[in-house]
Order: sequence, then C-alpha cells, then structure tokens
Amino acid sequence: ETGVTQTPRHLVMGMTNKKSLKCEQHLGHNAMYWYKQSAKKPLELMFVYSLEERVENNSVPSRFSPECPNSSHLFLHLHTLQPEDSALYLCASSQDRSNYGYGYTFGSGTRLTVV
Amino acid sequence: GQQVMQIPQYQHVQEGEDFTTYCNSSTTLSNIQWYKQRPGGHPVFLIQLVKSGEVKKQKRLTFQFGEAKKNSSLHITATQTTDVGTYFCAGRREYGNKLVFGAGTILRVKS
Repeated sequence: ETGVTQTPRHLVMGMTNKKSLKCEQHLGHNAMYWYKQSAKKPLELMFVYSLEERVENNSVPSRFSPECPNSSHLFLHLHTLQPEDSALYLCASSQDRSNYGYGYTFGSGTRLTVV
Repeated sequence: GQQVMQIPQYQHVQEGEDFTTYCNSSTTLSNIQWYKQRPGGHPVFLIQLVKSGEVKKQKRLTFQFGEAKKNSSLHITATQTTDVGTYFCAGRREYGNKLVFGAGTILRVKS
C-alpha cells in the first residue's frame, strides 16, 4: 500500500534460529534503508544501500546481515539473535541517498520477537 | 555526533486544543523532515523544510524552520482524534547525507 512491502509482518524466532526479513519497493528509488524501532528509543539506522552498494553500517552486530541483490529488494538475514533484538524492523526507500526534496517511504515493518 | 532532540516526549490534549512539538539540533541542518506514525503503524513523511525561517502549512499543521537552521517546530491547531500518533523530526546535517531522527513526541487527544 505504501509502495514499500515488508514480509513477514510478524515473526517469532528462537535464539538459535535463522530467518530473513524481506523488503521490496516499487517506487523506482535508488536508496534503501533498514531501521530498528524499539520502545522509547529513536529510530536507529542500521544499514544504507545506495544503488545496491552498502554505504553505511552503523556498528550493527554481525548477527544482522543485510543483502541487496538489486535496487528493488533488500533483505535482513538474522541468526543467533538475543531477546533485546526484539523490535519493529522498518525498511525505507528514497529517491536517492542525498534525498534532497524527497522524504523516505517506509514499509509497514516486521514485528520481531526473539524468545 | 549529530543529535536531534525533540520535546516534549508526551503530550495529552483535549480535543480542540492546540499542540506543538519542538525539534533542536546540535548542528546546523541542510534540511529537516517531519513524519507521523499512527499507533501500530509506520512513519509517514509529512513535509520537508529547507530554507532558513521557512514556514509551511498543511491544513491545520504549521511547520517552521528556525533562522539558524538548528531548530524546527510542528504546530497543530484545534487537534482532532485523528491527530493521535507519534510525530518525528529528522534532520540532515549540512554537507551530509545522514538523516538523524528525533525520539518523537507522542500525542494523545482526549475527546
């Protein structure tokens, strides 16, 4: 509905599981982002991809591994997560990384619970 | 590093009252954006301000960018229950690409 589609909407995983979050955008944007949103915290930027190249990695633990096979798709691979990783994971896209004049379009997010 | 502070953290208003949230940056910004996130939803882009002292309006919402380009405000006139949600500002430093979000202001409207 927003032009940025995230799946799954909800995910419950054990600490030893491996899962992947998927994001797809149909807006023709060149930049894609992963954000983490936890209760009572600002949106935390995790990764930035511009034209399929990772341009930013904000000291995210290696148990989170992004993948951007093309400018329309973005994945976040998860393995051996901790309970404190439970949060809403938001994907966003923008026209380009400089984003002058354009806002970010966010997906509906994946609500992740690590048990 | 660049920080964007937003106040207040929470605001409960009676329907019909006005509401204002303020955003302050530790560094001069090239532009500032505002987003709204409804409960259970995702952030939705509202507007971008670029020029020093700029004022933009969207119906009952008024957005201002400070003269020094280090602060901004969002004012809602005569709040309605549909205004509930969290309002985020996000600023981009001059000569930078990184968009830094504030922690947001949660607005609750009592009918």
